[in-house]
Amino acid sequence: EAQVTQNPRYLITVTGKKLTVTCSQNMNHEYMSWYRQDPGLGLRQIYYSMNVEVTDKGDVPEGYKVSRKEKRNFPLILESPSPNQTSLYFCASSTLGLGVNNEQFFGPGTRLTVL
Amino acid sequence: DAKTTQPNSMESNEEEPVHLPCNHSTISGTDYIHWYRQLPSQGPEYVIHGLTSNVNNRMASLAIAEDRKSSTLILHRATLRDAAVYYCILRDGSGAGSYQLTFGKGTKLSVIP
Repeated sequence: EAQVTQNPRYLITVTGKKLTVTCSQNMNHEYMSWYRQDPGLGLRQIYYSMNVEVTDKGDVPEGYKVSRKEKRNFPLILESPSPNQTSLYFCASSTLGLGVNNEQFFGPGTRLTVL
Repeated sequence: DAKTTQPNSMESNEEEPVHLPCNHSTISGTDYIHWYRQLPSQGPEYVIHGLTSNVNNRMASLAIAEDRKSSTLILHRATLRDAAVYYCILRDGSGAGSYQLTFGKGTKLSVIP
């Protein structure tokens, strides 16, 4: 089954404790992206990647890091989490190509709470 | 980026058709109209997209106004499973635009049994 998986699905942590949220897709997609969703603010893009070893900032990259060492994986790293990073996080992937008809597939989400 | 305007919420009776409107008066000639929805406690999922002509797929239909300044997502028979937030999104199809999806607040659809 074509899917985007995220782990963990729920995480409660404390300020400053480094964490990684993993994202994996089995569709051989070149494009992968991370969004965060907050009440009243909608979904906002954090980082994206057009291919292996190619990453770039989205609209709200501060406090986050990403890496793309393999095509299927795109982990989101919080080196020193703070309470304002408490949010619902979604990973997404799609193919590349001319035009933008490419459907984006989203993972199930990771609910992160930073105390 | 061209913006979209949607009603905050709508209600529908189960098994009735639902018409979800979207205004995009500043749409450019290369913008595609995409619809995604987000079911409770899930990630967004693609519904349908179109450029100028009306489109149908297994999930829904998309009716696009002749001047392209508005569009309507049509669910032919609403089920309880269709209760979700529906997002209307414009994406630049010229190849120069980004792959980022710019989500607004969307329309929260409630389906009444």
